[in-house]
Amino acid sequence: NAGVTQTPKFRILKIGQSMTLQCTQDMNHNYMYWYRQDPGMGLKLIYYSVGAGITDKGEVPNGYNVSRSTTEDFPLRLELAAPSQTSVYFCASSPQWAGQPQHFGDGTRLSIL
Amino acid sequence: TQLLEQSPQFLSIQEGENLTVYCNSSSVFSSLQWYRQEPGEGPVLLVTVVTGGEVKKLKRLTFQFGDARKDSSLHITAAQPGDTGLYLCAAHNTDKLIFGTGTRLQVFP
Repeated sequence: NAGVTQTPKFRILKIGQSMTLQCTQDMNHNYMYWYRQDPGMGLKLIYYSVGAGITDKGEVPNGYNVSRSTTEDFPLRLELAAPSQTSVYFCASSPQWAGQPQHFGDGTRLSIL
Repeated sequence: TQLLEQSPQFLSIQEGENLTVYCNSSSVFSSLQWYRQEPGEGPVLLVTVVTGGEVKKLKRLTFQFGDARKDSSLHITAAQPGDTGLYLCAAHNTDKLIFGTGTRLQVFP
């Protein structure tokens, strides 16, 4: 009964380092999304994918990259970490289109120092 | 950029009180969802409303979609400490959901 799994749960990076946030789902959902949530705020869409091999930018894509080689996995890459990227990152998936319920992971809390 | 404004931003009330949270936009949406998020967890869907004027009830929670499908409200009757959390509205826009700014609710015993 895994749903959407994100790893790691916590990470501290130094400015300029790079890392990949992992996201995998076992529900065979076509749509997957990456959001960031700053303290006390709503969610902002970073990137999304409507199926394997297809990705598109959301509201705040700068400084991030994604890939979708399989239906299950949707990793988010930070190439040159900056303090402004300190946030909680959520991955989500939905069956067909965004109007259907999105299932969220528990988040990755990332601090850039 | 389409915006979903939620009000109030913060709400702190005593157990047993009633409250209403609002979600407003200048755009028309085909559907709108309400999520609740507890600390350290991802948002969890409460309800989806699709038809203008639609009212849905989930125990003590009543959700309404505006007639023009530009706004929505969430009313909680007799709030309980277990209702504490961040309430987010989200509107469907082509392939994406646009999330509102959120209302943080705290219910004291």
